[in-house]
Amino acid sequence: QQQVKQSPQSLIVQKGGISIINCAYENTAFDYFPWYQQFPGKGPALLIAIRPDVSEKKEGRFTISFNKSAKQFSLHIMDSQPGDSATYFCLVISNFGNEKLTFGTGTRLTIIP
Amino acid sequence: DTGVSQDPRHKITKRGQNVTFRCDPISEHNRLYWYRQTLGQGPEFLTYFQNEAQLEKSRLLSDRFSAERPKGSFSTLEIQRTEQGDSAMYLCASSLVGTAINTGELFFGEGSRLTVL
Repeated sequence: QQQVKQSPQSLIVQKGGISIINCAYENTAFDYFPWYQQFPGKGPALLIAIRPDVSEKKEGRFTISFNKSAKQFSLHIMDSQPGDSATYFCLVISNFGNEKLTFGTGTRLTIIP
Repeated sequence: DTGVSQDPRHKITKRGQNVTFRCDPISEHNRLYWYRQTLGQGPEFLTYFQNEAQLEKSRLLSDRFSAERPKGSFSTLEIQRTEQGDSAMYLCASSLVGTAINTGELFFGEGSRLTVL
């Protein structure tokens, strides 16, 4: 079972601030690194994703940074808004044999006024 | 609504009873996944299908759990002799073969919450 360590477990950020969530994975080749966002009572939904041959990807206020040598990738939310309050999960996808999709443990983000 | 739908949304049962959850994926999606999510945790993989074939089962899926996708469309997840530890949100997701690898995207339903008393 692949280990995916996500931190922090919870995060409180002031409105307008930068939210940073990190994921670390084990020594295995992965093919994709998405971040998912989940609101209470809803299923997770894809937010942004990056391939391992790219070091950074930006979509609006959301940026993924990927550090292959450190086996880490992170989600940055710029100008954080109350509507960003949700739980965020990283996902690692491996194409060893059958696809293996392993979620991180989640970060509960709260944006305060 | 053409998204992934799950039924029932919430099930309360007594320990020892059997429960069944249904998932209807997006119509053209041939991959279907089941995950279990407990409070404060990320979704844990249970099993997945490609069309009607069950390709992988997690060790989490004890012999009390069974999943089917008989015609390659909807899927059912049955839990026999439920235990309090089975209380969780059961999530279903679907995708096209190769989509997860190439885009990182799974389409999730809103889940079926099981409470075992």
